[in-house]
Amino acid sequence: DAGVTQSPTHLIKTRGQQVTLRCSPKSGHDTVSWYQQALGQGPQFIFQYYEEEERQRGNFPDRFSGHQFPNYSSELNVNALLLGDSALYLCASSDGTGALRPQHFGDGTRLSIL
Amino acid sequence: AQSVTQLGSHVSVSEGALVLLRCNYSSSVPPYLFWYVQYPNQGLQLLLKYTTGATLVKGINGFEAEFKKSETSFHLTKPSAHMSDAAEYFCAVSDLDTGRRALTFGSGTRLQVQP
Repeated sequence: DAGVTQSPTHLIKTRGQQVTLRCSPKSGHDTVSWYQQALGQGPQFIFQYYEEEERQRGNFPDRFSGHQFPNYSSELNVNALLLGDSALYLCASSDGTGALRPQHFGDGTRLSIL
Repeated sequence: AQSVTQLGSHVSVSEGALVLLRCNYSSSVPPYLFWYVQYPNQGLQLLLKYTTGATLVKGINGFEAEFKKSETSFHLTKPSAHMSDAAEYFCAVSDLDTGRRALTFGSGTRLQVQP
């Protein structure tokens, strides 16, 4: 039973570029959440997708956008990259959006901005 | 707005010693509380969670945590540390009352276990 998978594992971009990160949820899960984890910090919630719609959003600018596909996989897009966007981006999946539903995390995508 | 404070960014214990990682939360109503562990170059793994009912919660790998509403705390303990416990630990809260299902994390505590 495959867990949450994220691709790519590492990515290097330059300021101003755009990036797309991908996430496949754990089998049987229909909800995907994205978190940004800066070095030495705890993860910060970006947004959550359920039924192909953004259901909840954290305090992130519109440069951060996402999408969920009919197979429940998800993408995180970041436009006009800034140096401060360098971080580990974590995807978490769950069965439903309720707070009691345990979130299963992938190993993340390490994004470095030069 | 809810928040989580983890006292001590680094904690070092000897193998076999008691592990105590501190977490205090700020929320308008009793939240759901979680502890996650993160090993190097990996995602987060759920150790345990408190929702309602018994305030002492047992998790995986011998860890447990006690919810104390009067102290707004949810400290993580383990009676005897193992070398394999060395990792980063995050306390997190989910506030149902405001409909926020997303997790709010603390800044983490790095646990070192000395031989």
